[in-house]
Amino acid sequence: DIQMTQSPSSMSASLGDTVTINCLASQDIGNYLSWYQQKPGKSPKLMIYGATNLEDGVPSRFSGSRSGSDYSLTINSLGYDDEGIYHCHQYYEYPYTFGAGTKLELK
Amino acid sequence: EIQLQESGPGLVKPSQSLSLTCSVTGYTITSGYDWSWIRKFPGNKMEWMGYISYSGSTNYNPSLKSRISITRDTSKNQFFLQLNSVTTEDTATYYCASGYYGLGGDYYFDYWGQGVMVTVSS
Repeated sequence: DIQMTQSPSSMSASLGDTVTINCLASQDIGNYLSWYQQKPGKSPKLMIYGATNLEDGVPSRFSGSRSGSDYSLTINSLGYDDEGIYHCHQYYEYPYTFGAGTKLELK
Repeated sequence: EIQLQESGPGLVKPSQSLSLTCSVTGYTITSGYDWSWIRKFPGNKMEWMGYISYSGSTNYNPSLKSRISITRDTSKNQFFLQLNSVTTEDTATYYCASGYYGLGGDYYFDYWGQGVMVTVSS
């Protein structure tokens, strides 16, 4: 199985900050990576697919990037609405796998 | 709009079977999409368990070996999860979700149920 090593596991940032969450794939997955945001008590919401493509309706403060097997989700101008757990997901091959999740809190 | 809703018992005893239903409205499950079960463990790790496609074919996570079965009732527009021989390690929030094939090989879960928390305990 492809392992997705996600970091950090949790982070705390201030209003207006820029934060970056990372996922390292254990093998090449091309751009077959997505990012989901999950708020407490809610189901995950697609934010980014194809490593860099913003889902419709997602604020442009969110962006995805790739460097080799390293994938990043960056959130600019952090707001309280951005709190939650962020999951990366590879769909390059079965079984689909997820990172361990990053819990983002605002100070 | 597509809506998914999970239902089933919130408590299952060890060694028994876990059975969940996902009811879909706003879309016919035989028209398209893969219909997946995904779970989130305490501590936030997510695991894709498997899917049943719109055509009825299935694909399971090998980690679940022969314990898992995903079936459907097209007359009710529902699909089901059965997980046998559960242990406390199967305690998780279980979600059903629709998997969409986009352009260029992209694939993502665009509609999700609200999730059902299942605890395995005697």
